[in-house]
Amino acid sequence: QKEVEQDPGPLSVPEGAIVSLNCTYSNSAFQYFMWYRQYSRKGPELLMYTYSSGNKEDGRFTAQVDKSSKYISLFIRDSQPSDSATYLCAMIRGAQKLVFGQGTRLTINP
Amino acid sequence: ETGVTQTPRHLVMGMTNKKSLKCEQHLGHNAMYWYKQSAKKPLELMFVYNFKEQTENNSVPSRFSPECPNSSHLFLHLHTLQPEDSALYLCASSQGPGTSGTDTQYFGPGTRLTVL
Repeated sequence: QKEVEQDPGPLSVPEGAIVSLNCTYSNSAFQYFMWYRQYSRKGPELLMYTYSSGNKEDGRFTAQVDKSSKYISLFIRDSQPSDSATYLCAMIRGAQKLVFGQGTRLTINP
Repeated sequence: ETGVTQTPRHLVMGMTNKKSLKCEQHLGHNAMYWYKQSAKKPLELMFVYNFKEQTENNSVPSRFSPECPNSSHLFLHLHTLQPEDSALYLCASSQGPGTSGTDTQYFGPGTRLTVL
């Protein structure tokens, strides 16, 4: 079983829709939970990170963590074509070990 | 230059060639990382360096040889690679040990490697 499971998609939605991206994990030792965005031909860039269970909001983005269910989500409101990218969930085990999900390829259609 | 830079951006090599990937960070960080990103697979951590010392080798084959001459530069020396080593190789850096809170990693754009 993979430590982090993420549906690779692809996911295609119309502009303005609410997007929900999800990951599940199996290791209770994970402490920090992150979402990275990766545009084509670029490296991943950090979007948001959370530590505890609950919600964290940043503009149109909301990250949600449910440690009891080992489930994390990223919601994008009022999605824009510029949000089209691959979204990677990642979790930290120990000091520096980032464990990534496979990434979900998202396309926002104008 | 800002952030994390990587050269070359694209590399095609034969199985008998020797080549090197270069990474440079301009963020004043103390930790640097190599990752491998293959199609349909998650990013895989390969090596971690803290203050120029290797602290993690994630069971990487010896045909990949990292070098970290100082905290700003990281190399990945490649020799006798296999076609299955074709992937995007990403470098990242972070503040390193002792950072309060999360030690955020910043990624470079990657080197797209094709092994023929």
